[in-house]
Amino acid sequence: DSGVTQTPKHLITATGQRVTLRCSPRSGDLSVYWYQQSLDQGLQFLIQYYNGEERAKGNILERFSAQQFPDLHSELNLSSLELGDSALYFCASSVGREANYGYTFGSGTRLTVV
Amino acid sequence: SQQGEEDPQALSIQEGENATMNCSYKTSINNLQWYRQNSGRGLVHLILIRSNEREKHSGRLRVTLDTSKKSSSLLITASRAADTASYFCATDSNQAGTALIFGKGTTLSVSS
Repeated sequence: DSGVTQTPKHLITATGQRVTLRCSPRSGDLSVYWYQQSLDQGLQFLIQYYNGEERAKGNILERFSAQQFPDLHSELNLSSLELGDSALYFCASSVGREANYGYTFGSGTRLTVV
Repeated sequence: SQQGEEDPQALSIQEGENATMNCSYKTSINNLQWYRQNSGRGLVHLILIRSNEREKHSGRLRVTLDTSKKSSSLLITASRAADTASYFCATDSNQAGTALIFGKGTTLSVSS
C-alpha cells in the first residue's frame, strides 16, 4: 500500500458518458497529480493541484476537469467519453509544489469505454 | 514539452547479470528521477538525482547524470527475476509550475 488511494479500480462505461475518478493523497502530501497512461501515448501528465489550487496543466482535454477539496482529496471528471479515453489513470502525490521530490503513485483506475 | 527518452525500449537478461538503461532529455532540469512499474500497477519511485550530482547509489541501483550530454543511466547490478518491470525516467524543469514528465520506459525482462 503506497498511501495513495484511488477509486474505483476498474470502470467500464459507454461512449458519451461521464465518470468521476477519486484520489486520496498520502498523508502530509499537499500536491496531487493526475496522469493518463495508454499504450500509444505513454504516461501523459494531465494536471496538478497544490493545497487546493491548480498549479500546473499538461495535456488535459477540455472534456476533462479536476479539483482538489479542502481535505486534499482530488477528483478527475471525464465527460463525453470517447473510445480513445480508455486508459489507466493514475493519481500521484508529493509533499511540495515543485517536482523536486519523489512522487507516490496510487494503483490506478483502469477505464474502459465501450 | 520536454521528455525523457529511454533506451533501449526492451531489454532481456539472465539473473545475475547487470542491466543498464539510458535516458536522454531535451532541456535544463533541476532533477531527474527513475521509477519502476510492474505490469499494470502504479509506479514506484526508485531514486532522485539532482542536477548538481553526478552519481547516486541505492542498494543495487546506480544512477549517473551527465548534464552536459543531457543524459542519465540506471544500472541494476546482479539482476533478479523480481526486477522484471518497466523502468521510466522522469524530468522536471527549471521553470516554475511544472510537473514531472515521463519517458515511454524500458521494459526489462530478467529470466532465471
